[in-house]
Amino acid sequence: DSGVTQTPKHLITATGQRVTLRCSPRSGDLSVYWYQQSLDQGLQFLIQYYNGEERAKGNILERFSAQQFPDLHSELNLSSLELGDSALYFCASSVEGIPRDYGYTFGSGTRLTVV
Amino acid sequence: ILNVEQSPQSLHVQEGDSTNFTCSFPSSNFYALHWYRWETAKSPEALFVMTLNGDEKKKGRISATLNTKEGYSYLYIKGSQPEDSATYLCASYSGGGADGLTFGKGTHLIIQP
Repeated sequence: DSGVTQTPKHLITATGQRVTLRCSPRSGDLSVYWYQQSLDQGLQFLIQYYNGEERAKGNILERFSAQQFPDLHSELNLSSLELGDSALYFCASSVEGIPRDYGYTFGSGTRLTVV
Repeated sequence: ILNVEQSPQSLHVQEGDSTNFTCSFPSSNFYALHWYRWETAKSPEALFVMTLNGDEKKKGRISATLNTKEGYSYLYIKGSQPEDSATYLCASYSGGGADGLTFGKGTHLIIQP
C-alpha cells in the first residue's frame, strides 16, 4: 500500500455520462497530481493541486475538472464522456509544490471504460 | 512542449547480465529528473530523483547518472534478476511549474531466466 488511495478501481460507463474519480493523498503530502494513461501513450499530465489551490495545468480537456478539498483529498470530474476518454487515471501525491527533491507516490489508478 | 524520450522501447536481458537504457530530455530550464519502476498490475514507484549535472544515485543493483548539459540520463542494472522485470519510466521537470513532471513512454524490461 503506497498510502495514496484511489477509488473506484474500475468504472464502466456510457458515452455522454459524467463520473467522479477520487484520490486521498499520502499523509503529510500537500500536492495531488492527476495523470491519464491511454493505450500506447505515456502518462499525460492533467492537473496539479497544492494545499487546496490549482498549481499547474497540463493538457486537460474543458470537459474535465478537478478540485482539492480542505482535507486535501482530490476529485477529478469527467463529463460528456467519449469513447476516447477510456484510460487509466492515476493520482499521485508529493510533499512538495514542485517535484524537485522527492518522487511522486502513486495510487493504484482508476480504470475507466466508456462504452 | 517538453519531450522526454526513452530508448529502447523494450529490452530482453538474460538473468545475470547487466543492462542499461537511456532517457533524453530538453536541457533548457532543467530542474529535476525522476526515474520510476512500474511493475505489472502495480503503480509506479520512485527510484531516483536527480537535480545536479553529474549526479549519480544508487539503490542496490540499480544506479543512475545525469548529464544536464546534454540532456540525458542512464539507468543501469547490474546482474539482472527476474524481479527486475518492469517498465522503467523517466520524467523531467523544467522550471516555471506549468506542466508538472513530463514522463517518457518507458523502457519495458524483461529478464529471461
